[in-house]
Amino acid sequence: SQTIHQWPATLVQPVGSPLSLECTVEGTSNPNLYWYRQAAGRGLQLLFYSVGIGQISSEVPQNLSASRPQDRQFILSSKKLLLSDSGFYLCAWTRAGPGDLYGGYTFGSGTRLTVV
Amino acid sequence: AQSVAQPEDQVNVAEGNPLTVKCTYSVSGNPYLFWYVQYPNRGLQFLLKYITGDNLVKGSYGFEAEFNKSQTSFHLKKPSALVSDSALYFCAVRDKGFQKLVFGTGTRLLVSP
Repeated sequence: SQTIHQWPATLVQPVGSPLSLECTVEGTSNPNLYWYRQAAGRGLQLLFYSVGIGQISSEVPQNLSASRPQDRQFILSSKKLLLSDSGFYLCAWTRAGPGDLYGGYTFGSGTRLTVV
Repeated sequence: AQSVAQPEDQVNVAEGNPLTVKCTYSVSGNPYLFWYVQYPNRGLQFLLKYITGDNLVKGSYGFEAEFNKSQTSFHLKKPSALVSDSALYFCAVRDKGFQKLVFGTGTRLLVSP
């Protein structure tokens, strides 16, 4: 069966420090991968998605970047964190291909980032 | 662009009563619709989806959703609410590029004992 791992679960970082959040998927190959941010416990903002190694689509210009160095690994990074980067970050995956999105996303358990 | 709207920020219901969480959609072409639930400090969990076929879709934890093409709605329902159903619920639609889901703003469901 497929599983998605996201870590760390919580993170407190000072303003101006770097960030690296990691997400990995097991039990499948060539998944579509997604990073979302959820602020104030409500809406989901799509940050990045990837349909293959090295292929990153950015949805919102911001202080963050994403990389996909391996097929089932998706990394969210920042060189210098801002206070506004605080939030709940969620990774998700789905099988690739138009028909496979019928199954929807599977989400990781999330990372609570607090920038102080 | 594909979009969904959840008109209620919060829905309050007493335990044992039926519940409805509303979602309307705006799409070009056939809609592919989803409901997700989120418990505090957790990722979203898939509840159910509508792709084609019967307008009444049954999902996890006793939830169901009714697809109504004429009203462009996909409301989430449950005949008898439980306190443990209290959570944040998201409606979503697949985008035209087939590569991602577009989520609504979420509705907080509060079930009182």
